[in-house]
Amino acid sequence: NAGVTQTPKFQVLKTGQSMTLQCAQDMNHEYMSWYRQDPGMGLRLIHYSVGAGITDQGEVPNGYNVSRSTTEDFPLRLLSAAPSQTSVYFCASSSPLMGGYGYTFGSGTRLTVV
Amino acid sequence: EDQVTQSPEALRLQEGESSSLNCSYTVSGLRGLFWYRQDPGKGPEFLFTLYSAGEEKEKERLKATLTKKESFLHITAPKPEDSATYLCAVQAKGGSEKLVFGKGTKLTVNP
Repeated sequence: NAGVTQTPKFQVLKTGQSMTLQCAQDMNHEYMSWYRQDPGMGLRLIHYSVGAGITDQGEVPNGYNVSRSTTEDFPLRLLSAAPSQTSVYFCASSSPLMGGYGYTFGSGTRLTVV
Repeated sequence: EDQVTQSPEALRLQEGESSSLNCSYTVSGLRGLFWYRQDPGKGPEFLFTLYSAGEEKEKERLKATLTKKESFLHITAPKPEDSATYLCAVQAKGGSEKLVFGKGTKLTVNP
């Protein structure tokens, strides 16, 4: 039982490049989310999904795309990287069926855009 | 707009010196208030969920309480391994899965 697995752990991109941050969970959770964490700011929601085939925008969705074709996977795509997207990205999953439910977070992807 | 304010931003304690962290919130109907612990270079680790005013939850040296406007995380006789950033988040009623996070309190416990 690995929980929430994010890859890669570190990535450097050039401005304008695209990439996909991977997120997988093995807990059969319905809910999955992507957050970004920047110095001096709280975690901010980018996109979320309440089940396979269902996604919605969070607080800061511009420049990012998501899809949810399976319960397990929720990749985050950067379409054309910009320096403002330099951040640490966290994927999280949860289920309303969990007692006292709280989101389980992955260990993060540290992205630098130069 | 839902908001979460945590105070203090940073707190230094001596081992064994008890204290409390504060999380003030405004939300359009509280569905749940969450406390997380985050170690450097790691993802947030779930500690507690509180749902209604008056509720309390405990885990080892940590105790979380909730009122209609704020939550406290009480740390009793802390140890150096309790050093971390503690994050508070709220979730509003209405079906959205959005968590609104505070900026966190960085706790350092000196031996």
